[in-house]
Amino acid sequence: DIQLTQSPSSLSASVGDRVTITCRASQSIGGYLNWYQQKPGKAPKLLIYAASSLRSGVPSRFSGSGSGTDFTLTISSLQPEDFATFYCQQSYTLSTFGGGTKVEIK
Amino acid sequence: EVQLVESGGGLVQPGGSLRLSCAASGFTFSDHYMDWVRQAPGKGLEWVGRTRNKANSYTAEYAASVKGRFTISRDDSKNSLYLQMNSLKTEDTAVYYCARDGSGGNFRFDYWGQGTLVTVSS
Repeated sequence: DIQLTQSPSSLSASVGDRVTITCRASQSIGGYLNWYQQKPGKAPKLLIYAASSLRSGVPSRFSGSGSGTDFTLTISSLQPEDFATFYCQQSYTLSTFGGGTKVEIK
Repeated sequence: EVQLVESGGGLVQPGGSLRLSCAASGFTFSDHYMDWVRQAPGKGLEWVGRTRNKANSYTAEYAASVKGRFTISRDDSKNSLYLQMNSLKTEDTAVYYCARDGSGGNFRFDYWGQGTLVTVSS
């Protein structure tokens, strides 16, 4: 099974900060990596697919990069509505999710 | 508007069975692969399994943790997805989400239901 390790598991940041979340795969997965945002009590929402493609309607402050085993999600300027938990997901072999990164208000 | 609405969750004893349903609307259900994803209380997301579409013979795939106990099916005439859960364990306690694969097989979950809670406890 392919394992995904996200880091950090949580972080505190202020509005306007640049935030970077990392996802590392246990083996190469090419560009088969998606990112989701989940707020408490709500279903996840797709942000980024195929490592770097922004889903239509998602603000451009979100971006993704990487290939192979190392991927990043970047929020260029954190907004109040961005405080949430973020998950990476691989789709190279069936599907698995990373453990999540909780972004909290500093 | 795409909508996915799960139902059928509840309290069940270990070893018991439960069937979840997901009613879809706002898109051509029969064209899409459909998946189940679960989330244990306070934990992360776990992919449970999927059913492919008619063009791909409605074949299913499962996570190792549920294989042999859970069965995913669909009824395209009713725009509905199902998850039959047997031999339930306490570790199956979770919110279960149905999700639409918007990418024809690449596990790109572009729409999700609101989730239904399954509690396995004696």
